[in-house]
Amino acid sequence: DGGITQSPKYLFRKEGQNVTLSCEQNLNHDAMYWYRQDPGQGLRLIYYSQIVNDFQKGDIAEGYSVSREKKESFPLTVTSAQKNPTAFYLCASNLDRGGNQPQHFGDGTRLSIL
Amino acid sequence: KNEVEQSPQNLTAQEGEFITINCSYSVGISALHWLQQHPGGGIVSLFMLSSGKKKHGRLIATINIQEKHSSLHITASHPRDSAVYICAPLVSGSRLTFGEGTQLTVNP
Repeated sequence: DGGITQSPKYLFRKEGQNVTLSCEQNLNHDAMYWYRQDPGQGLRLIYYSQIVNDFQKGDIAEGYSVSREKKESFPLTVTSAQKNPTAFYLCASNLDRGGNQPQHFGDGTRLSIL
Repeated sequence: KNEVEQSPQNLTAQEGEFITINCSYSVGISALHWLQQHPGGGIVSLFMLSSGKKKHGRLIATINIQEKHSSLHITASHPRDSAVYICAPLVSGSRLTFGEGTQLTVNP
């Protein structure tokens, strides 16, 4: 079945470490997104990509980096510069870069600091 | 002030009750999504609508673009409907902005 796969489901990071969250989709979608969710807050956009080899910063990009070398993959790196990385991270994709189709979401990765 | 306001934040109902969740937004939009987030965290898109009303099974979504308001209704609610429901207006291109969500609990 087509869908979005995020891994790992749970991730622990030591202070000062970079960690990379994986997001893979087999939906042949052009657009992909990374969101962060904190308790009591709505999802916030970290980065998005509308086409391979191109991506744009969202509302809270500081301390994060992404790459889009392949259409199906959009990994997110949480760098040591992100001072409060503990959160739930969701990846999404969309067939239509113009937003005329629903976004599809992965099951998320929960990141915690050791 | 948040761009998207949902009410109520928490809602507890008895099985069979009619549920309404409201969403008001302050920005101009072309469409609006209603999303469902289950306890494990995964999110499913329920509706995307730009005008009028859509129905899927026991779920109904309505939107009034001029009044910047949308509602999600659940008829004959069931415990399996317990989840967080999120309103997400489409503000530009394919970018969504999100409400904080409504935690719905349906008791048997």
